Amino acid sequence: DTEVTQTPKHLVMGMTNKKSLKCEQHMGHRAMYWYKQKAKKPPELMFVYSYEKLSINESVPSRFSPECPNSSLLNLHLHALQPEDSALYLCASSPPTSSDTQYFGPGTRLTVL
Amino acid sequence: QKEVEQNSGPLSVPEGAIASLNCTYSDRGSQSFFWYRQYSGKSPELIMSIYSNGDKEDGRFTAQLNKASQYVSLLIRDSQPSDSATYLCAVNMDSSYKLIFGSGTRLLVRP
Repeated sequence: DTEVTQTPKHLVMGMTNKKSLKCEQHMGHRAMYWYKQKAKKPPELMFVYSYEKLSINESVPSRFSPECPNSSLLNLHLHALQPEDSALYLCASSPPTSSDTQYFGPGTRLTVL
Repeated sequence: QKEVEQNSGPLSVPEGAIASLNCTYSDRGSQSFFWYRQYSGKSPELIMSIYSNGDKEDGRFTAQLNKASQYVSLLIRDSQPSDSATYLCAVNMDSSYKLIFGSGTRLLVRP
C-alpha cells in the first residue's frame, strides 16, 4: 500500500452541521498533515502530527479539530463552519527516513452552505 | 518573512519543446527543495526533490539547484499536452515539518 487515502471525496455541509474528514496511510509514515487549499492558491498548512502528537498548529480556528487516533489514521473534525471554509482539504504524510518529503492524498472537496 | 516566489504564468510552450520553470526562495539556509505537479481539481503530486547544488535528472524532468543564487528550477524536456498543469515549488527552510510553497506556475503545452 503506497498511497494516502482520504474520505469522503466530496462533502457538502450546512453551517450548523458536524462532520469529519478521514485520512489513512499504511506506509509506516510517522508524520501526517492537514492542509487547506483554495482555488488558484498554494496549499496552506493547518496541522502537523508527528508520532501521533500534535507538532504544529498554524493558529487554525477552533471550529477545526484534528485527531490522530493511531499512526495510520488522521481525522479532521468540523463544526460550525463558515462558507469561506469551502476548499480542498488535503492530507499528507512523510516517511521517517525523509521527514521533509510530503506525499499528498487525493483531497476532500468541502462545500459549506 | 520566509518566501518562495514563482511566476504565475501561464507559461505556454509547443509540444516537444523544453519547458523551464523557475523558483526563488528567501532563506539562504534552506536545505531541501521539491517540485509538485497539480492538475486542475486534483491534489499535488511530488515529481522531484533536490538537496544538493547542481542537476538531478529523472526521465524527462531535470531539477536544478543553485544555493548561492537561491533559485531552483525544473526543466521538462519533450513537453507533452499531458504536462499541462500547475507546478508548485516547495522549500523546507528550517528542517521542521513545514514546507513553504510558492504560488505555482501554470504550464500550457500546445499540441
